[in-house]
Amino acid sequence: DAGVIQSPRHEVTEMGQEVTLRCKPISGHNSLFWYRQTMMRGLELLIYFNNNVPIDDSGMPEDRFSAKMPNASFSTLKIQPSEPRDSAVYFCASSLLTTGSGELFFGEGSRLTVL
Amino acid sequence: SQQGEEDPQALSIQEGENATMNCSYKTSINNLQWYRQNSGRGLVHLILIRSNEREKHSGRLRVTLDTSKKSSSLLITASRAADTASYFCATERGGGSEKLVFGKGTKLTVNP
Repeated sequence: DAGVIQSPRHEVTEMGQEVTLRCKPISGHNSLFWYRQTMMRGLELLIYFNNNVPIDDSGMPEDRFSAKMPNASFSTLKIQPSEPRDSAVYFCASSLLTTGSGELFFGEGSRLTVL
Repeated sequence: SQQGEEDPQALSIQEGENATMNCSYKTSINNLQWYRQNSGRGLVHLILIRSNEREKHSGRLRVTLDTSKKSSSLLITASRAADTASYFCATERGGGSEKLVFGKGTKLTVNP
């Protein structure tokens, strides 16, 4: 089992540039989550999908952030334009969730540095 | 907003000792989970305890849950240097929410 696959693992970009992070969830999982991790704020849930439909995007910081899940095997998180305060590790996680329970399987993360 | 808060923030022990980490939360939950994160890696699920359970074991891990105090503890017995990592509790709230909200973690160092 390949696990959750994220790309790129590391990204360094300049302020104002567009950043696209990618995630392939575990096959058969029906929920996908995007988290952001920083020293100051810890792990924050940005958005999650169930059966490819966005369920809760209340954690998305602002309109510069957008996420899509065009099919069950692929999701993107886009930041446009990027700012230095977006520097963080972004994690994708997937789960086979039934109502009220389920463990998350995390990818290895994408470390974003915005200069 | 943060639901779970781990205590202590950092813990340093010697190999062979037991490590206890605590988690407090604020609202009612469906379940509470513990995760481990090695430096530079993703989080790995350790154990899940449901709101109607009081204690659960998995290998060298023991988790307790006290819903009246809104707290949980993770005990790692006979620690090893390989247990060095950050440990997070995560809560799933009641009311049908599927969101897991994580605390800021306890950084455990096990010295050989």
